[in-house]
Amino acid sequence: AQSVTQLGSHVSVSEGALVLLRCNYSSSVPPYLFWYVQYPNQGLQLLLKYTTGATLVKGINGFEAEFKKSETSFHLTKPSAHMSDAAEYFCAVRRGGYNKLIFGAGTRLAVHP
Amino acid sequence: DVKVTQSSRYLVKRTGEKVFLECVQDMDHENMFWYRQDPGLGLRLIYFSYDVKMKEKGDIPEGYSVSREKKERFSLILESASTNQTSMYLCASSWDRENYEQYFGPGTRLTVT
Repeated sequence: AQSVTQLGSHVSVSEGALVLLRCNYSSSVPPYLFWYVQYPNQGLQLLLKYTTGATLVKGINGFEAEFKKSETSFHLTKPSAHMSDAAEYFCAVRRGGYNKLIFGAGTRLAVHP
Repeated sequence: DVKVTQSSRYLVKRTGEKVFLECVQDMDHENMFWYRQDPGLGLRLIYFSYDVKMKEKGDIPEGYSVSREKKERFSLILESASTNQTSMYLCASSWDRENYEQYFGPGTRLTVT
């Protein structure tokens, strides 16, 4: 069975600092992995996804994530945080057919001046 | 651009009322999903549909039903609303091709009093 664990429900960084949001998954099949972002009072927007191929995936707004099979991880990073990055971030793994997803509990990122 | 719209952004209903939440997508997606989002729990799948008139229960279907009479429209029904159904409801859709992501609507914040 698939599952997703996001370490840290709240992360706070200074503007310009590295952003690191952690995601570990379990999957009985080769995983398809996703990061979504949710800005206040909005739906979820895809940041990036890993399906097959290159393990370092680049997404929108300067974010990237690396699939590490040996560590069952898919951590999200951004070299330099911007105030506009403040949002909630969700990691997800595909489960079963019909592109169903299972989501982590989310990490709320705060960026302070 | 894919567009997923939800009928209301905010809704206030009384206990015992029948509630309809509507979702429309404009990309001819086969799959549609209803989630509820609660703090610390991430997104949990209520129901999904993979074709017109076809539906399957998700992880938390109790107290909910759904209807999909047309491909572009997926409705979530609360037969008799209760206070524990106060939540954010998110609709999503996806093509039924293996590595495609879900696209989300803006959400409906439902309060049951």
